Amino acid sequence: GENVEQHPSTLSVQEGDSAVIKCTYSDSASNYFPWYKQELGKGPQLIIDIRSNVGEKKDQRIAVTLNKTAKHFSLHITETQPEDSAVYFCAAVNYGQNFVFGPGTRLSVLP
Amino acid sequence: DTAVSQTPKYLVTQMGNDKSIKCEQNLGHDTMYWYKQDSKKFLKIMFSYNNKELIINETVPNRFSPKSPDKAHLNLHINSLELGDSAVYFCASSRSAGGNQPQHFGDGTRLSIL
Repeated sequence: GENVEQHPSTLSVQEGDSAVIKCTYSDSASNYFPWYKQELGKGPQLIIDIRSNVGEKKDQRIAVTLNKTAKHFSLHITETQPEDSAVYFCAAVNYGQNFVFGPGTRLSVLP
Repeated sequence: DTAVSQTPKYLVTQMGNDKSIKCEQNLGHDTMYWYKQDSKKFLKIMFSYNNKELIINETVPNRFSPKSPDKAHLNLHINSLELGDSAVYFCASSRSAGGNQPQHFGDGTRLSIL
């Protein structure tokens, strides 16, 4: 079955700097890759997703890149703000299968 | 309006008791899920229902019994609670069961077993 690894497990950046979180997956048939942000006491919220027919997607300060050959995808957050502090999860999924989540990255943005 | 709502938000109970968690979604989605998030924040799917029918049961002990009275509701009943059941349980929904659709999560139920 699918296995998703995520690095780093914790990340501290200064406000205004960029943050990058990387995930690797094992099942080459996976074709949908969402990213979720979980704030304290809340459920995971979808922030961006990408499908396997696209290499990059941007939404304001957030971007995701996908390298199907290497089986990895990354979340890029530019101009980080304190409200970006949260736990971020990646996931990989193949059609008809379950979401398989990475173990999460705790991002701290220091003012 | 909350899209996926769970009740209760907190549940503290004794080992051996039976408890239920309720979930409702107002997104008009066909598919609903239960996830367990352990103390290390790891998210793992437990069950999935599509149009009130069970489609995924991920080797969860049979003390856990989901029930879907209609496609907008998915409840989770747990019998004979054990210490290891302490976790945060999340309900989620998606438009369809294809697997490559965004899932929308509730804010979780924190279950603590004394």
